[in-house]
Amino acid sequence: EIVLTQSPGTLSLSPGERATLSCRASQSVSSRKLAWYQQKPGQAPRLLIYYAVSRVTGIPDRFSGSGSGTDFTLTISRLEPEDFAVYYCQQYGTSHTFGQGTKLEIK
Amino acid sequence: EVQLLESGGGLVQAGGSLRLSCAASGFTFSNCAMNWVRQAPGKGLEWISGISGSGDSTHYADSVKGRFTISRDNSKNTLYLQMNSLRAEDTAVYYCAAPGSGYEFTPFDFWGQGTLVTVSS
Repeated sequence: EIVLTQSPGTLSLSPGERATLSCRASQSVSSRKLAWYQQKPGQAPRLLIYYAVSRVTGIPDRFSGSGSGTDFTLTISRLEPEDFAVYYCQQYGTSHTFGQGTKLEIK
Repeated sequence: EVQLLESGGGLVQAGGSLRLSCAASGFTFSNCAMNWVRQAPGKGLEWISGISGSGDSTHYADSVKGRFTISRDNSKNTLYLQMNSLRAEDTAVYYCAAPGSGYEFTPFDFWGQGTLVTVSS
């Protein structure tokens, strides 16, 4: 089983700042099959990024993904108030596993 | 518009059973792999099971293998999760989730609102 470790656990930033979230895999994720989700309290997760770098239609371009192999990053270039949420990475190259999440909170 | 509506959650004693359902609409259900993902209170997401569009192929996380069974009725556009030998650690919100591509082992574009399962010990 591929284990995904996200860091940091909590990220405290202000609107307008840049957020960098990390997701590290215990073994290489095949074909960059890595996705990112956003989840707000009381809501289901929302898919943001797939194949590590591809943005879902309708997701603002301030969200971007990068990485390959075992190291992946989600970057939010300029935080908007609605971006404060929990973010999960998911690998779908070998079955499915999720990271434990990064909580992005307002500083 | 794709809609996924889970039902069947509730309170059950440890060792008991429960069957969850997920009614799907807005897409060709029989062409789409489906999944169950759960989230324990205050915790992260855990994928627990997936099934191909035809139902011929099923997959489980180790945490539920041998206790949970995923199935589907394509004539009713409904996904199921039969949960047996429930444990306190199975307490969670259970989501059904579908990939936009329809294929197995692809990311989940569509999610239901979830149904809460509480297992009392």
